[in-house]
Amino acid sequence: DQQVKQNSPSLSVQEGRISILNCDYTNSMFDYFLWYKKYPAEGPTFLISISSIKDKNEDGRFTVFLNKSAKHLSLHIVPSQPGDSAVYFCAASQLKGGNQFYFGTGTSLTVIP
Amino acid sequence: DVKVTQSSRYLVKRTGEKVFLECVQDMDHENMFWYRQDPGLGLRLIYFSYDVKMKEKGDIPEGYSVSREKKERFSLILESASTNQTSMYLCASSTTGALSPLHFGNGTRLTVT
Repeated sequence: DQQVKQNSPSLSVQEGRISILNCDYTNSMFDYFLWYKKYPAEGPTFLISISSIKDKNEDGRFTVFLNKSAKHLSLHIVPSQPGDSAVYFCAASQLKGGNQFYFGTGTSLTVIP
Repeated sequence: DVKVTQSSRYLVKRTGEKVFLECVQDMDHENMFWYRQDPGLGLRLIYFSYDVKMKEKGDIPEGYSVSREKKERFSLILESASTNQTSMYLCASSTTGALSPLHFGNGTRLTVT
């Protein structure tokens, strides 16, 4: 059973606008969440993370929001750039669970110039 | 910078062959992982290891085994390759500390014919 879900397989956004990627999880024990970016023929690269003691974490153009009561997190990219076009995976883990991560199915973002 | 190196980018094997996928990391990480990525299914954990000679089954271990004889090296073994094992295989490593993300290699695209 998929414990981490990304319900939008794809998203298209105009350059300069905001991209919002969503992720839902079912396991209330998850307390560490990450976003990864993946280009074709490359491994995923770590983008940004958030622990459950926070509800927002920001790094440059990337902000992750966590809503624990809704078991929902989102990644905001603003402004979006063509180089952001990639597949984005969210992942979740329990900090006491030995670093086992559960991944969503990914959202393919296309930023249109 | 963490480097996770997978020995092959592309492999083509025949059904029934024994296949070895090799992964080496250079950051003295305790934890190492093997995932496979398939369209619509995201990243699924096959096996992971917390220490030399230690291994734990992930979500889809059937048809696979692993070996970790040295801290920096984690091998995935397909005892008798089948066509449903055609996939992108991703190796990752992480430290044991809290809030430690996974660092991925570039992946091995395995085709079993």
